[in-house]
This record gives sequence, structure tokens and C-alpha cells, in this order.
Amino acid sequence: DAGVIQSPRHEVTEMGQEVTLRCKPISGHDYLFWYRQTMMRGLELLIYFNNNVPIDDSGMPEDRFSAKMPNASFSTLKIQPSEPRDSAVYFCASSRQGVNEKLFFGSGTQLSVL
Amino acid sequence: GQQLNQSPQSMFIQEGEDVSMNCTSSSIFNTWLWYKQDPGEGPVLLIALYKAGELTSNGRLTAQFGITRKDSFLNISASIPSDVGIYFCAGQLVGRGSTLGRLYFGRGTQLTVWP
Repeated sequence: DAGVIQSPRHEVTEMGQEVTLRCKPISGHDYLFWYRQTMMRGLELLIYFNNNVPIDDSGMPEDRFSAKMPNASFSTLKIQPSEPRDSAVYFCASSRQGVNEKLFFGSGTQLSVL
Repeated sequence: GQQLNQSPQSMFIQEGEDVSMNCTSSSIFNTWLWYKQDPGEGPVLLIALYKAGELTSNGRLTAQFGITRKDSFLNISASIPSDVGIYFCAGQLVGRGSTLGRLYFGRGTQLTVWP
């Protein structure tokens, strides 16, 4: 089975540019999560969806961040405008049946904002 | 947000040695999990614990759900070079509302194994 697929694997952009990260969850999973990982703060939950509906976005840092899940097989995390402090690894994860402790993570997107 | 205190922050051991790491919280969790992250990859689930006092093994790995439900530990026996990576504990809170089902992660334990 294909796991959680994220793209791109690496993104280098300049401050002020728009960045879009993409995620395809595992088929049949009805929960999708976006995490950010940094040395300073570890793994932080940004937002999660259940059946394509955002449930908790309290971890989204600020209005520059937005996430969508237009259908069960695709989600995006957008940063506009990007800032150097957004540099981090962004992970998408999915789970099924609400038993979200069994999260399956993608390989992440390494974002560098110059 | 919830704080999970994971220790030690890093470990440097020789191949063949046993490893022990733990995680504590001020909150009661109803599920504890342990993940491993290899360089350049996402965390992968190693062990899941669902009941206070539960002791579960997965090969050379053993984890326990603390009786108080506020802590958990992970042991790795007879370490090998491929055990290198970052180990994360994660807990799921008892509660209602939007936090139900959320996982909270520790800061990780970086394990280095010398051959």
C-alpha cells in the first residue's frame, strides 16, 4: 500500500513568496494532520481534518498559514507570504476511524525560506 | 499546550548495550505511543499502549504504560547500529471537544549507537 505522500520533498524560496505544500493521505483514512518540526519546538500540530472538515486549527501560527482539504485524497498547506522563521520540516499524517493515535506520517517537506 | 517531558535528550551508547528512555506528563493520558524517526523521514510507530500498567514488546523493544497514566518508558535491548534515530513519545489526552484524539509529542531522544 502506498503511504502518505507529500510533495515537494524540498522547497527553497525567498521571503515573501507563496509556498504550497501538498499531501495525499492513505486511502480510506478519514483523519489528516499537518505537523511542523523544528529543533526549537519539536513536533507541533498545526491543524487536523476529519472527513475533509477542519476540526482544530488552533496550532496554525498566524493568518499567513492556511490549509484546505477539498476531497478525501488531497490536502494543501499554504504559507503566504513566507518568512525565514517558517523554515522547518512539515509533515502530513493520516489515520482512520478516528483512532488517530495510529498516525502514519509522510516523509515530510523540508522548507527553507531565505 | 500540553507538555510531555522526554528524557534523556540524547544518548550515545555502544552496540550491544541496552537503552532506556522515558516520558512524563502532568496530565493523564489514555494512550501512549512510541515513534522512531530516521533521518529525512517521518516518524514511524513502534509501540502503542492503551491500558495503565500495560507492558508491550515488539522484538527488542519493550514499552510500558505507567500506572499513574502520566508516564511511559521505552527500553531497547542489545542495541544495533540501525537503532540510530530520534525516538518520540506521544500521548493522547482524556477529554472532550477539539482536543479529543489529539496526540501530544515529546521533544525526542536522539540515539547514537557506536559499532
